Amino acid sequence: QKEVEQDPGPLSVPEGAIVSLNCTYSNSAFQYFMWYRQYSRKGPELLMYTYSSGNKEDGRFTAQVDKSSKYISLFIRDSQPSDSATYLCALIYNQGGKLIFGQGTELSVKP
Amino acid sequence: GAVVSQHPSRVICKSGTSVKIECRSLDFQATTMFWYRQFPKQSLMLMATSNEGSKATYEQGVEKDKFLINHASLTLSTLTVTSAHPEDSSFYICSALWQGMTDTQYFGPGTRLTVL
Repeated sequence: QKEVEQDPGPLSVPEGAIVSLNCTYSNSAFQYFMWYRQYSRKGPELLMYTYSSGNKEDGRFTAQVDKSSKYISLFIRDSQPSDSATYLCALIYNQGGKLIFGQGTELSVKP
Repeated sequence: GAVVSQHPSRVICKSGTSVKIECRSLDFQATTMFWYRQFPKQSLMLMATSNEGSKATYEQGVEKDKFLINHASLTLSTLTVTSAHPEDSSFYICSALWQGMTDTQYFGPGTRLTVL
């Protein structure tokens, strides 16, 4: 069983839709949770960083962590074509530790 | 966010040659940098952890004599692919660890290596 599971998609939505991206993990020792966005042929860009259960909001993005269910989500409101990218969840056990990535979900937002 | 650069962004070389990729943290000092490899439609695979002034730590299955890592300063790490072969063709991405209130990895833009 992989440490982190993420549906690779592809996911296609119309512009303006609410997008839900999800990851599940198997080890409750994970303490820090991140979402990265990666455009084609570019390096990943950090979007959200959380370390406790609950929601964290930044503009159109909301990161949600449910440690009891070992489930994390990223919600994108009012999605735009510029949001079309691959979204990677990444988890770490300790500060400064190795990132454990999900497989990435490819998102396409159609105008 | 913090800025990390990579050079070159793209390189094409002949089989048997060596290629050096540079990773620089432009606006912060990074004791630790990481090197990843990514194949098309796949996630990032950690190759090694590079610590300034000491030997890199390689992940299982990564040949340290093949992928030489040097982290000679707090803003520069280099990855040298020695005697490159077509199977080494890939997208190589580095990250630098920013140690603030929370430790965060910031990624470079990546280097696409094509070995003919």
